[in-house]
Amino acid sequence: GENVEQHPSTLSVQEGDSAVIKCTYSDSASNYFPWYKQELGKRPQLIIDIRSNVGEKKDQRIAVTLNKTAKHFSLHITETQPEDSAVYFCASAGGGNKLTFGTGTQLKVEL
Amino acid sequence: DAGVIQSPRHEVTEMGQEVTLRCKPISGHDYLFWYRQTMMRGLELLIYFNNNVPIDDSGMPEDRFSAKMPNASFSTLKIQPSEPRDSAVYFCASSLQGHTEAFFGQGTRLTVV
Repeated sequence: GENVEQHPSTLSVQEGDSAVIKCTYSDSASNYFPWYKQELGKRPQLIIDIRSNVGEKKDQRIAVTLNKTAKHFSLHITETQPEDSAVYFCASAGGGNKLTFGTGTQLKVEL
Repeated sequence: DAGVIQSPRHEVTEMGQEVTLRCKPISGHDYLFWYRQTMMRGLELLIYFNNNVPIDDSGMPEDRFSAKMPNASFSTLKIQPSEPRDSAVYFCASSLQGHTEAFFGQGTRLTVV
């Protein structure tokens, strides 16, 4: 089955800096790659996603890039703010709706 | 729509007891997923249903775990007998065929003492 690896497991940045989280996947049939944000004690919520027919997608301070050849995708957060502090999960899905999640990255934005 | 609804929010039980977690997916969604979240293992998919039929239960840790979906608006995850290592947050999520975004419930925090 699909295997998703995520790095780093923890990331600490200064407010205003950029943060990058990277994931790799194993199933070449995967075609949907969402990112979820989970604040402490809350549910994971979708923040951005990308499908395999595009290489990059941007939404304000958040962007995701996809390299299908290398089977990796990344989340980029620019101008980080304290409210960006959370756990971020990448995931992948193939033809169906089954999502396989990475192990998560604890992002801390320091003042 | 109120979103995915799980109950209870918190459950504390003694080892050996039966535990039942409940989930109501978003109306009209035809996929339902049960995940377990721990610090060590992150978000693990336990089982998922499509149109009330279990599709993949390979993530269910052992026979003590069982899940049912008797109709499109209700699912249960049962642990019998429960053990301390089952302590975790259990999430239910649902999605719509062709729209892969999964919507999560608030989760059930289970503590087995």
